[in-house]
Amino acid sequence: GAGVSQSPSNKVTEKGKDVELRCDPISGHTALYWYRQSLGQGLEFLIYFQGNSAPDKSGLPSDRFSAERTGGSVSTLTIQRTQQEDSAVYLCASSRRGGGYTFGSGTRLTVV
Amino acid sequence: DQQVKQNSPSLSVQEGRISILNCDYTNSMFDYFLWYKKYPAEGPTFLISISSIKDKNEDGRFTVFLNKSAKHLSLHIVPSQPGDSAVYFCAASENAGNNRKLIWGLGTSLAVNP
Repeated sequence: GAGVSQSPSNKVTEKGKDVELRCDPISGHTALYWYRQSLGQGLEFLIYFQGNSAPDKSGLPSDRFSAERTGGSVSTLTIQRTQQEDSAVYLCASSRRGGGYTFGSGTRLTVV
Repeated sequence: DQQVKQNSPSLSVQEGRISILNCDYTNSMFDYFLWYKKYPAEGPTFLISISSIKDKNEDGRFTVFLNKSAKHLSLHIVPSQPGDSAVYFCAASENAGNNRKLIWGLGTSLAVNP
């Protein structure tokens, strides 16, 4: 597609439930990133995929968070047993190698 | 510990005047800096960048200045337009051109008044 697409745009979930957030990057972009922005915080790096290389998971805050990227394209960020502190806007971005980011509009996750 | 600091959470300027957004950093290994603009309900969009080998980069109404000795950069918008009203994020990276793990500031909300 023309841009980075994220779904859903909003998600309200009960504490303890699992959620899946989806990202469709720009076609041809080999790099894909997940960030989150909590209230009053800057953008926090979560995970980075580059081509077929092993992902950089160093930003994932706990083992409840995982992400995969299938076929080098679509990525899914999964949060298990959600907690209230997981409430944030989750942003996906893609880029050509060495190029600038293009962000999606984000998924606003609210854990109640 | 904020490695990239935008100390002004908000800024208001009149249309046609200059907007100056400031950003300070603490990590002397940062050598690539970017500014992103974010409208409500949209993801951030790239605005302008600067490498540490330069002290100025200009693109139309937008100019970024880098003062390495002071670990300070600023974004100048002149003349400011109402459509420039957005949140502006400063970001920094340790490896020029390596856009993994950009470190982001908290943003400055700019309001340009007609």
